[in-house]
Amino acid sequence: GEDVEQSLFLSVREGDSSVINCTYTDSSSTYLYWYKQEPGAGLQLLTYIFSNMDMKQDQRLTVLLNKKDKHLSLRIADTQTGDSAIYFCAETPTTSGTYKYIFGTGTRLKVLA
Amino acid sequence: EPEVTQTPSHQVTQMGQEVILRCVPISNHLYFYWYRQILGQKVEFLVSFYNNEISEKSEIFDDQFSVERPDGSNFTLKIRSTKLEDSAMYFCASRLNQPQHFGDGTRLSIL
Repeated sequence: GEDVEQSLFLSVREGDSSVINCTYTDSSSTYLYWYKQEPGAGLQLLTYIFSNMDMKQDQRLTVLLNKKDKHLSLRIADTQTGDSAIYFCAETPTTSGTYKYIFGTGTRLKVLA
Repeated sequence: EPEVTQTPSHQVTQMGQEVILRCVPISNHLYFYWYRQILGQKVEFLVSFYNNEISEKSEIFDDQFSVERPDGSNFTLKIRSTKLEDSAMYFCASRLNQPQHFGDGTRLSIL
């Protein structure tokens, strides 16, 4: 199947680090993405990683990729109240040939002041 | 920075009516996509379009759906006879390479 799994909720205190996890399905996926969605809004691309990388850092964001376990994580350092949103991971299975995205179920991050 | 634009931002339609959702992809992009997000659920792939034809479609994209790139700039999704369960946010995306660039979506409400 093409189910990309994420835990539903995460609650952290302002200033702490958040770690959002994702398990994807297609070991041949070439790109993996993290998107942020605020209430009623569109999809904001946060970062993405190519499958030959283990880690990517972009300011407060760190992406870790474990290809063997098909596990992707997003760490947000110094989490702020403005980070409260739903976070979706997405993969691009090469089996499709069109680089369509398969999105995860989404993790709702709540940042407590 | 160029953007993908979608119109309208909100569309309210009576059940059984036809609706056309419009997207203007980024001008030099070659690959186009539609996705759907039912309220509170994940984003689901509907269809991909390249070289003026559908390159892949999901099980959701049945005969009531169609896509068109009528004039080289617009990319439309038509739902022929809407059902209550078509109520969702519809996202258009385009790309040249990676990643896909998403529009802000059209919220479709079927009454």
